[in-house]
Amino acid sequence: NAGVMQNPRHLVRRRGQEARLRCSPMKGHSHVYWYRQLPEEGLKFMVYLQKENIIDESGMPKERFSAEFPKEGPSILRIQQVVRGDSAAYFCASSPPDSGVGQFFGPGTRLTVL
Amino acid sequence: ELKVEQNPLFLSMQEGKNYTIYCNYSTTSDRLYWYRQDPGKSLESLFVLLSNGAVKQEGRLMASLDTKARLSTLHITAAVHDLSATYFCAAGDSGTYKYIFGTGTRLKVLA
Repeated sequence: NAGVMQNPRHLVRRRGQEARLRCSPMKGHSHVYWYRQLPEEGLKFMVYLQKENIIDESGMPKERFSAEFPKEGPSILRIQQVVRGDSAAYFCASSPPDSGVGQFFGPGTRLTVL
Repeated sequence: ELKVEQNPLFLSMQEGKNYTIYCNYSTTSDRLYWYRQDPGKSLESLFVLLSNGAVKQEGRLMASLDTKARLSTLHITAAVHDLSATYFCAAGDSGTYKYIFGTGTRLKVLA
């Protein structure tokens, strides 16, 4: 059973470009979470999704950021018109419906905005 | 709003010594998790604590949960260099599937 997969692992964008981050959850996991981690800091919750539904996006900036988890394919975190402050590691985690087992994290995507 | 605090933020300790990392959370939570993160790497799940009085041990690490005090501890016994990493606790927001992370404790074990 493959773990949580994220790609790309590293992404470099210039200011004003779009960044698209992908996450494939573990098999059998219907819950996907996105977190942002700045250097030397903890993880900040961004959004929680189930298939075709955004359940909680209270941690997402109101502008430029969006997320989806379509019926088919990976979850996507999209950042439009990136700025230098968006540079961070973005982690995806997945969990099964049973919250008792916790989350499993992907390797992360390290976004650098030039 | 659920808030999670860890202390200490930084911990430098000698090999062979014991120490405890504390994780306090502000409102009722029905689940508590501990993770380890090595520099530049992802998070590795260490413990899942789901009930008051739960205690779990793996090697030199032992985690416990006191829901009445809203406190979880991660105890390190006879530290070794390989335990050097950042340790995070996360509390589940009751009634939701949301997880709130603490700020992390950066542990450095000196030979």
